Amino acid sequence: DVQLVESGGGLVQPGGSLRLSCAASGFTFSDHYMDWVRQAPGKGLEWVGRARNKANSYTTQYAASVKGRFTILRDDSKNSLYLQMNSLKTEDTAVYYCARVLLEDAFDIWGQGTMVTVSS
Amino acid sequence: SFVLTQPPSVSVAPGKTARVTCVGDNIGSHSVHWYQQKPGQAPMLVIYYDGDRPSGIPERFSGSNSGITATLTISRVEAGDEADYYCQVWDSVSDHLVVVFGGGTKLTVL
Repeated sequence: DVQLVESGGGLVQPGGSLRLSCAASGFTFSDHYMDWVRQAPGKGLEWVGRARNKANSYTTQYAASVKGRFTILRDDSKNSLYLQMNSLKTEDTAVYYCARVLLEDAFDIWGQGTMVTVSS
Repeated sequence: SFVLTQPPSVSVAPGKTARVTCVGDNIGSHSVHWYQQKPGQAPMLVIYYDGDRPSGIPERFSGSNSGITATLTISRVEAGDEADYYCQVWDSVSDHLVVVFGGGTKLTVL
């Protein structure tokens, strides 16, 4: 089965750091762009950023709200995607999903999400 | 940046047709994707590239996109279709990728 499983969420204080992981299985991870999308409690979906594949030089792009604080990494040898989050703010509190990108555009596979709470 | 506007809620009786709109400036020039999200679950792609259905999505789900409005149409609505629905496009701002979601529409089956 095609699957994405996130982990690493939890409670962190404002200004702190956290690293999320996303383990992929059931497909050729290295072929695909991978993104992070988040959802604050009771709110809509917000794109966080993208990690392109080796064929596109592993380039990354970020939403303005996280640029300079968040970093997306991928390890194709481990079929894994990561989200390094620094200088966390209370407004970063959300469920974080990793998602496989279909044809550079849509998100066809989603993980179950991992909750990040930023609070003192 | 590009803004997508969805009605907060749509209500429909079982067996009827539900239409969820997504309004954006010249959205017809973008490819629109739609997601269904049930409470406590991850989103699921139901329509991509305006009107294509992923495998496993019933033919009751269809999409269209023209001008300033994209529309997700659900025919013969069932109780299990009750969920939040989000439209999505990607845009380019100063050569930077931006992925934009609409605010979401809660579909209630009466």
